[in-house]
Amino acid sequence: DTEVTQTPKHLVMGMTNKKSLKCEQHMGHRAMYWYKQKAKKPPELMFVYSYEKLSINESVPSRFSPECPNSSLLNLHLHALQPEDSALYLCASSQEGDGDQPQHFGDGTRLSIL
Amino acid sequence: RKEVEQDPGPFNVPEGATVAFNCTYSNSASQSFFWYRQDCRKEPKLLMSVYSSGNEDGRFTAQLNRASQYISLLIRDSKLSDSATYLCVVNRGGGYNKLIFGAGTRLAVHP
Repeated sequence: DTEVTQTPKHLVMGMTNKKSLKCEQHMGHRAMYWYKQKAKKPPELMFVYSYEKLSINESVPSRFSPECPNSSLLNLHLHALQPEDSALYLCASSQEGDGDQPQHFGDGTRLSIL
Repeated sequence: RKEVEQDPGPFNVPEGATVAFNCTYSNSASQSFFWYRQDCRKEPKLLMSVYSSGNEDGRFTAQLNRASQYISLLIRDSKLSDSATYLCVVNRGGGYNKLIFGAGTRLAVHP
């Protein structure tokens, strides 16, 4: 059982739609992350939030918009996505954002763009 | 050169075999190191952290050689359930908990 919960598990959307991915953790972790993973490739970091503030944006296109409403929640708002954005989107959390702790992953949202 | 390099495999081994995976990293400032396993179409799961003194967790042993910038994972008495992709993960350091993932090594354990 994962302690990082992501919803929805699967999402199919058109290129003009707006949708949001949600992530929740109740481990008291202060850092949360969004990753994108394509088939047969390792996860690629997109965003890092530390103490509810955005600390890293890995030059992600603006059609992806992260939001951290509180220390337990992380959202990823999607708008006008492209077919190449189809991937597994993983959320992770760690105890702190400025140290060397391992990250714990949710089971991901599998996104398909039509 | 990639920051974290692994042999992609696949490693095909019989049950009960001992198998070792290696990984090299390029950033000498990296401070922490991990092995994750990822099953097909699932999320990465932390297998173990890797410490300078080496560490063991049951059938799994991890070693770190900072001088050679090299990390290893040894699996003894392989089980069918060990079949997965093993990701070598390095923290880039510099004040952020930014993990760099290797491309992964596939392990297939057969009866």
